[in-house]
Amino acid sequence: GQNIDQPTEMTATEGAIVQINCTYQTSGFNGLFWYQQHAGEAPTFLSYNVLDGLEEKGRFSSFLSRSKGYSYLLLKELQMKDSASYLCAVEGYGQNFVFGPGTRLSVLP
Amino acid sequence: DTAVSQTPKYLVTQMGNDKSIKCEQNLGHDTMYWYKQDSKKFLKIMFSYNNKELIINETVPNRFSPKSPDKAHLNLHINSLELGDSAVYFCASSPQRGGVDTQYFGPGTRLTVL
Repeated sequence: GQNIDQPTEMTATEGAIVQINCTYQTSGFNGLFWYQQHAGEAPTFLSYNVLDGLEEKGRFSSFLSRSKGYSYLLLKELQMKDSASYLCAVEGYGQNFVFGPGTRLSVLP
Repeated sequence: DTAVSQTPKYLVTQMGNDKSIKCEQNLGHDTMYWYKQDSKKFLKIMFSYNNKELIINETVPNRFSPKSPDKAHLNLHINSLELGDSAVYFCASSPQRGGVDTQYFGPGTRLTVL
């Protein structure tokens, strides 16, 4: 079966660091994506991992462990504009993209 | 310039009607997708379309049919609309099917079935 789990909601303070976890069980694995989605808007791409390890991109980093079926998105120096939902998505075999339920992050002043 | 565009942005209609949502991408991508995001914010893939090859999510009712007049367009036609079809529908495109390419999403079409 296909299953992706993320925490439903998280809260953090402006300037802090937050880690959003994602665990997955999918039919095949061709890569893991993180997307950001502000309320009422389309998802926008943040990061892509296909090999184990950490990918860093400015204030955002994403980690993958394929053996554990686990990823996290790390957001540093949080800003108010980072308040959004963060979607973990896995591409399995046969062009099968599966999205997690999303984690709604609230950044407080 | 908008990379992936959808029309209309909002669509309100009665049960039983037939409606279409249009999607166009000007990125020169080879693959296009349709997603449904329900009230619980789950984003589920409905179709992917690449070079006339259609892959359908088996859970999608056959009332939904994608139509691609050319590589830059993938429209979604829905017959006999039901209340449960109310959702936001996102079109997306990627340079190729699978692998390293990310998907670029359109702005979404909020469909409300009364």
